[in-house]
This record gives sequence, structure tokens and C-alpha cells, in this order.
Amino acid sequence: QAGLTQPPSVSKDLRQTATLTCTGNSNNIGNQGAAWLQQHQGHPPRLLSYRNNNRPSGISERFSASRSGNTASLTITGLQAEDEADYYCSAWDTSLNAVVFGGGTKLTVL
Amino acid sequence: EVQLVESGGGLVQPGGSLRLSCAASGFTFSTYSMNWVRQAPGKGLEWVSYITSSSGNIYYADSVRGRFTMSRDNAKNSLYLQMNGLRVEDTAVYYCASWLSGNPSVFEHWGQGTLVTVSS
Repeated sequence: QAGLTQPPSVSKDLRQTATLTCTGNSNNIGNQGAAWLQQHQGHPPRLLSYRNNNRPSGISERFSASRSGNTASLTITGLQAEDEADYYCSAWDTSLNAVVFGGGTKLTVL
Repeated sequence: EVQLVESGGGLVQPGGSLRLSCAASGFTFSTYSMNWVRQAPGKGLEWVSYITSSSGNIYYADSVRGRFTMSRDNAKNSLYLQMNGLRVEDTAVYYCASWLSGNPSVFEHWGQGTLVTVSS
């Protein structure tokens, strides 16, 4: 199944702002938005955001999400060392009747 | 506290079978849609299958359709994945994950995963 498109890597300095993107089409992101997951090495993923900018309890306000057309974005402000992780977007694709994931973006905090 | 605990992984030869289980606790399992998601070593996440709360609908990724069967037993708070005709490319950590109620593709809770290795 065709997936969502994410840049493989992003590097930013400590305390700076990182914006990660996720591009799909009108059947997935354009239709129902995207969810964002964070995964540290050796751990399962953790939900950060869904339906564009809803955060589960316990998720820092430094993480905010948005959508423009078929592209979803996750912005992380005031980067901290612990933000270094892999980030994945996901969406339900109404034409495939399947979940599609992005390939993941590895965020490096310098 | 929500807990999802997978079991049943291991080493199997190509063409073999395995049955994964996921034991759920800390939430009303019978009201949630559940999923299996896998991650090959060093690779990204791949959705495998999903089942609605009452087992009324089950969907599979193209890569496993016809070989894998997902099921659940709400009385036992358990989720299953029967994997037949295993291939080398099925090697991965398999996670069970719950969907946020009313939000398809929003994976709210995850287990720690169980490793399946397909090799001769």
C-alpha cells in the first residue's frame, strides 16, 4: 500500500524549532488529517498528536500539529535532547481501507 | 493503567506458522478497535491488520492478506494474530495497539512488542 511521505532526517540545534512534514493525498491526510507518533530507540511508539492538533494528556505543549491540504506538519519548539527520536505520521486511507504510515523522520538535536 | 502485553514471537522457518497473542488490561477492551503493527529491524512502522470491537470488520494490509488472520476474544481481553506461510520479509517486532475511540488510525496505546524471526 502506498504510504505517506516524510523526509528521512532533520537536524536542529538545541532550543531551536523543528518542523516535520508528512505528505499524503485527498484520500488520507486531506480527508481525515494525520496522527503523529514519537519513537525512541528500543521503545514502542508514543502518540503525540491526532486530528491535526489534539494532544493526549501528558504530551508537552511544545508539540503542535497542523494540516494544510494534503500535508500535515508537526512543530516542536524549544528542542531538548530527549526530543531526539524517530517521528511517524499515520492516517486512515479511505480508498485503500487501510492505515498508511509515513516512512519516519529521524530528528537529531545538535 | 492500560497494559498491552504481546507474546508468542520466536524463530520460525520460512513457510511456518506462529500465533501471536496480546493480553489487554486497564481499559474496557471490548469497546475498542485493535490493531497489529509491525516494524522490521531498522525500518519504519507497517500496519498489519485491524479488528473492530465486535469483530464485525477486519482489514488486512496487502502484504499479509490471505496468510494472516486476526481475531479477538473479548471475554478473555485478548487479541490474536495467526500467521501462516511466513516469509523472511515478515521478520519484525509485532506490536498490538489500540485505536483511540472514534478515531481510525490514531494509535493510542501500544504494547512492548514481540519479535518474530523468519529464517532457515
